[in-house]
Amino acid sequence: DAKTTQPPSMDCAEGRAANLPCNHSTISGNEYVYWYRQIHSQGPQYIIHGLKNNETNEMASLIITEDRKSSTLILPHATLRDTAVYYCIVRVATGGYSTLTFGKGTMLLVSP
Amino acid sequence: GAVVSQHPSRVICKSGTSVKIECRSLDFQATTMFWYRQFPKQSLMLMATSNEGSKATYEQGVEKDKFLINHASLTLSTLTVTSAHPEDSSFYICSARRGTSGGRADTQYFGPGTRLTVL
Repeated sequence: DAKTTQPPSMDCAEGRAANLPCNHSTISGNEYVYWYRQIHSQGPQYIIHGLKNNETNEMASLIITEDRKSSTLILPHATLRDTAVYYCIVRVATGGYSTLTFGKGTMLLVSP
Repeated sequence: GAVVSQHPSRVICKSGTSVKIECRSLDFQATTMFWYRQFPKQSLMLMATSNEGSKATYEQGVEKDKFLINHASLTLSTLTVTSAHPEDSSFYICSARRGTSGGRADTQYFGPGTRLTVL
């Protein structure tokens, strides 16, 4: 699976949009981009995933560049409860036995 | 989203004893489940992958005789830490893969984790 690069930490004011970037320049054509987050002392929580089109759900939006070499996770109105480590992971997502490999992620701190 | 549970959430045991951790997918069937371990201030590390009805596949450096994994049904996997020692103290997290049809991407969902402390 391709590797990803994320900033180690980011700050965001409560109520503002949090935009978390991820670089995955070696992504291959059949690899999806997945985002998870881990709040302190809890298991990771699935957020969203996509292949090439932008995706949106009740938690966040995922914007993938046309060349698929980078993506951005957007939390439209960050709250204090969004403080967590956010992981961007790329993997083959259909069939096979590919699993999720976690890097160091981005520590997002949402402040009042 | 899909729900994965783990039990117990926290366990303290004496050195040399064995500890069993259960992982259940509550609202979907999981042909594949995963076990991760996380040490303080570190990221999750995959320990093993288990497929229902077959032997688990362990990552390099993980002792299969020490970390026994059983995936007896499509909704239950167990991890037994045998003869636990203080260095096995960690946060153990299971994950279940929810498959899809029609070539769509599958998704892994995670349990809340089990904090193991070995005295």
